Amino acid sequence: GQNIDQPTEMTATEGAIVQINCTYQTSGFNGLFWYQQHAGEAPTFLSYNVLDGLEEKGRFSSFLSRSKGYSYLLLKELQMKDSASYLCAVIDSNYQLIWGAGTKLIIKP
Amino acid sequence: NAGVTQTPKFRVLKTGQSMTLLCAQDMNHEYMYWYRQDPGMGLRLIHYSVGEGTTAKGEVPDGYNVSRLKKQNFLLGLESAAPSQTSVYFCASSEQGEHQPQHFGDGTRLSIL
Repeated sequence: GQNIDQPTEMTATEGAIVQINCTYQTSGFNGLFWYQQHAGEAPTFLSYNVLDGLEEKGRFSSFLSRSKGYSYLLLKELQMKDSASYLCAVIDSNYQLIWGAGTKLIIKP
Repeated sequence: NAGVTQTPKFRVLKTGQSMTLLCAQDMNHEYMYWYRQDPGMGLRLIHYSVGEGTTAKGEVPDGYNVSRLKKQNFLLGLESAAPSQTSVYFCASSEQGEHQPQHFGDGTRLSIL
């Protein structure tokens, strides 16, 4: 079966750095997305990785290792507004998008 | 720029009732999607469309129907609502290609009693 694993919940401190991991076992791989979803709101696109390595976008970076079936989202200089759920999604060999259940990130002052 | 608009935002139905959820996008996107989101689970694809006049089944299509008569609109119908269909429903759209990011509407919170 197809599976995407993310921690259910993480807690971090304002101003710190946090890394949210995503491991996947899917039938093939054609890309990986990270989305942010604030409580009661719509998911919004953060990043897309298809090649190995780190993609940096401001305070947020996303890393991919296809050989390990692993990605992480790195958030720097955490702000209270970063409290949200972070969703990992993988495009499989049939070009279907498989979604993880998301990681709820709680930022404490 | 409205993006993706869903109506209604909230609805309570009785078991057996029918209703239609409306989704409209103003970005001229080819692809449109309907998802449901339940606690502790990832987004699950109900139906999707890769262009006007075309629809396809997703992961959990049973109990739902869709239509895409106009490029900008994607309608989701519940023929006979069941309590198991209580969920938050999201519509999304994207440019052509599975690698394109999806743009989501604000969701419809549907309760079936």
